[in-house]
Amino acid sequence: DAMVIQNPRYQVTQFGKPVTLSCSQTLNHNVMYWYQQKSSQAPKLLFHYYDKDFNNEADTPDNFQSRRPNTSFCFLDIRSPGLGDAAMYLCATSFGGRAYNEQFFGPGTRLTVL
Amino acid sequence: AQTVTQSQPEMSVQEAETVTLSCTYDTSESDYYLFWYKQPPSRQMILVIRQEAYKQQNATENRFSVNFQKAAKSFSLKISDSQLGDAAMYFCGTQGAQKLVFGQGTRLTINP
Repeated sequence: DAMVIQNPRYQVTQFGKPVTLSCSQTLNHNVMYWYQQKSSQAPKLLFHYYDKDFNNEADTPDNFQSRRPNTSFCFLDIRSPGLGDAAMYLCATSFGGRAYNEQFFGPGTRLTVL
Repeated sequence: AQTVTQSQPEMSVQEAETVTLSCTYDTSESDYYLFWYKQPPSRQMILVIRQEAYKQQNATENRFSVNFQKAAKSFSLKISDSQLGDAAMYFCGTQGAQKLVFGQGTRLTINP
């Protein structure tokens, strides 16, 4: 089945130690999104790639960066994680990125910062 | 700007009964869509139902239907014949040209 895969499902890192979260997709979608979801809160968009074009949300901290080496893969890099960055990180994809396009979500990576 | 408000943090319903989840929104976009997504425990978020804002007819998908009141900016989800597998967080969202914005979510519990 076509899907969105996130690895690892659970990640533990130390305060200030860089961490990378991975997302891959077999849907061949051209748009990939990264969301941050804190406990009991709505998912919040961090940034997205439309093809190779990177689109950062205005309120996304500089600590968060992303790479998309090819259509299938997208990475979320947190350069110096703080305790406030502990959250579930969701990757999603869509075809076209238009208003009517459904987004397909991965299962998420739960990040713990010690 | 887009905002979405779900005023019911938690709801519960007896199995086989009907439940309605509320959602109101605000958007400056003229062309937008409204969505309900479901996030089961420890599983990925999936689309439940989608409504085109320019269509007056309410969307329906099997046991799931919406009541879309554009003037009131209201978009509620009705689940008929509730099943145990419906237990999840439900997120209402609006998507325009820029991005998908979610509400805070409603946790739905199904009582057997």
